[in-house]
Amino acid sequence: RKEVEQDPGPFNVPEGATVAFNCTYSNSASQSFFWYRQDCRKEPKLLMSVYSSGNEDGRFTAQLNRASQYISLLIRDSKLSDSATYLCVVFYPGSQGNLIFGKGTKLSVKP
Amino acid sequence: EAGVTQFPSHSVIEKGQTVTLRCDPISGHDNLYWYRRVMGKEIKFLLHFVKESKQDESGMPNNRFLAERTGGTYSTLKVQPAELEDSGVYFCASSQNIWSSYEQYFGPGTRLTVT
Repeated sequence: RKEVEQDPGPFNVPEGATVAFNCTYSNSASQSFFWYRQDCRKEPKLLMSVYSSGNEDGRFTAQLNRASQYISLLIRDSKLSDSATYLCVVFYPGSQGNLIFGKGTKLSVKP
Repeated sequence: EAGVTQFPSHSVIEKGQTVTLRCDPISGHDNLYWYRRVMGKEIKFLLHFVKESKQDESGMPNNRFLAERTGGTYSTLKVQPAELEDSGVYFCASSQNIWSSYEQYFGPGTRLTVT
């Protein structure tokens, strides 16, 4: 079983749509959770951290359910510029500082 | 402030040759990480330096890979001899210190193709 699993995608949605990505992690000792965004042939960039209480940044909302070991990202009112691969990333102390990545879910927003 | 830089951006070499990748972390960052993404797979950890010391190299695939971080500044990752399965994108990341080790900033990556 992979440490971090994500929706396989790809997601093809029209502009203005709401899209949700899901992610599960296997290590219950995981401490910190993130969504990264990676544009084609670019480096991963931190989109937002994920907290148990849920957090929102503009059109983006992230949720964490520790009991189910489940993380989600909701994007409202999708823009063309949201097209990218979204990576679910987990950190736990036993990983000695390295991040554990999911395979990513590709989002394509069409006009 | 300059971000993490990597050199070269692309490298195409033949099987059996040697390649050295370089990473310059953000100035003042103690932690430096190497990751790799093989086509179709997730990004995977290779190793972690704290200053000039290797903190964790559990992700290094085999002894054909050698990483160094001279003086705790820039780092090099040498692959010798390269094999076809070494092809992928090698990312370097840095973070300021042990208390912010999860706040990692990534470089643009080196795309390595072994033919």
